[in-house]
Amino acid sequence: DTAVSQTPKYLVTQMGNDKSIKCEQNLGHDTMYWYKQDSKKFLKIMFSYNNKELIINETVPNRFSPKSPDKAHLNLHINSLELGDSAVYFCASSPRDRGTSALNTGELFFGEGSRLTVL
Amino acid sequence: AQTVTQSQPEMSVQEAETVTLSCTYDTSESDYYLFWYKQPPSRQMILVIRQEAYKQQNATENRFSVNFQKAAKSFSLKISDSQLGDAAMYFCAYRIHEYTGRRALTFGSGTRLQVQP
Repeated sequence: DTAVSQTPKYLVTQMGNDKSIKCEQNLGHDTMYWYKQDSKKFLKIMFSYNNKELIINETVPNRFSPKSPDKAHLNLHINSLELGDSAVYFCASSPRDRGTSALNTGELFFGEGSRLTVL
Repeated sequence: AQTVTQSQPEMSVQEAETVTLSCTYDTSESDYYLFWYKQPPSRQMILVIRQEAYKQQNATENRFSVNFQKAAKSFSLKISDSQLGDAAMYFCAYRIHEYTGRRALTFGSGTRLQVQP
């Protein structure tokens, strides 16, 4: 069983289109994330949800809208796609920190990434 | 804001040799985690090793070990007996220990490791 799964793995589309990427985790984690990896491989946080509540919303265009129907799912919808949106988008999840750091691993568990190409 | 710096965009090592990847970070926090993630061509992000800031002992996972210097804010990764399968991008990452979940991983820019046969 894949712990964090994303669909689709590859997406090729035209400028101006609207597309969605779906993410599901079966780890029972409270927190889910979307990261963007650009062509230079730099990974940057976009959004984070904790139990369906948006808790991190970095400087991302309004064309990007995350949605979390439940704590196991976090989808990313992108409107009016632009060339600069071409990237690999990673979903990740983590358990919520509890107590001292000695009780936690702190790591994020990543999906396989979704490569979006905008033509 | 926390920042993570990897000053080596590319490194190369001969098979069976040892290589060290550098990472420095900037933070005013005292309770945090540091990680090294590996990203092979398959693009999957794989956790290599983890270090909790409160631990003075350096973490070790088989051929992978770290040199954690908290005062210097340095966190280097040593790969011993390098194998062809170690060839990948390596990312250093930092995360604060925090209850509300308002902190995500902050990544460095990555180091591409090549392993020569």
